[in-house]
Amino acid sequence: NAGVTQTPKFQVLKTGQSMTLQCAQDMNHEYMSWYRQDPGMGLRLIHYSVGAGITDQGEVPNGYNVSRSTTEDFPLRLLSAAPSQTSVYFCASRERFGETQYFGPGTRLLVL
Amino acid sequence: DAKTTQPPSMDCAEGRAANLPCNHSTISGNEYVYWYRQIHSQGPQYIIHGLKNNETNEMASLIITEDRKSSTLILPHATLRDTAVYYCIVRTLNNNAGNMLTFGGGTRLMVKP
Repeated sequence: NAGVTQTPKFQVLKTGQSMTLQCAQDMNHEYMSWYRQDPGMGLRLIHYSVGAGITDQGEVPNGYNVSRSTTEDFPLRLLSAAPSQTSVYFCASRERFGETQYFGPGTRLLVL
Repeated sequence: DAKTTQPPSMDCAEGRAANLPCNHSTISGNEYVYWYRQIHSQGPQYIIHGLKNNETNEMASLIITEDRKSSTLILPHATLRDTAVYYCIVRTLNNNAGNMLTFGGGTRLMVKP
């Protein structure tokens, strides 16, 4: 198993540009989520999904959209990037009745 | 979910036990204590979790006080590769929507040679 994979590893955007951060898992996990981590801070939940076709907002959802068309993929979209969205983004997944979350390696995003 | 309080940083000598405390005085009866760690620039990694009994696995031991208001993560023989930020998290073990992890600031453990 590859586990949770994220692409790209690093991205530089200009203010106002859009992009999609990709996340995929091959463990057939129902639950997937996106977190952001600012320097020196803990992780904050952006959006999450409890299954294909079902998504909901986390703690800091503004400026981000998600969709979940398949069990494996959970992309995060930035429609109009802002410097405040400069951060490291982590995707995670877990089984519905599982106790452990599995995290991807992260995507470092710099918005100029 | 109950809030947790951890010291911001700790040092430990290589080969010695690292004892990381966590205060969760408002924990409720159905909330578990979870520990994750984050090695620099990587995604968080699950370590261990428990409800009220002490737990041990290949990575660490978790000691929970009888009143459950605090706990200690023990790395029995710390190595340089254990240098990381350690997060103590309490949450209910249910599968309702939104039951995701809430991370605080964690403890930055520095293992020194």
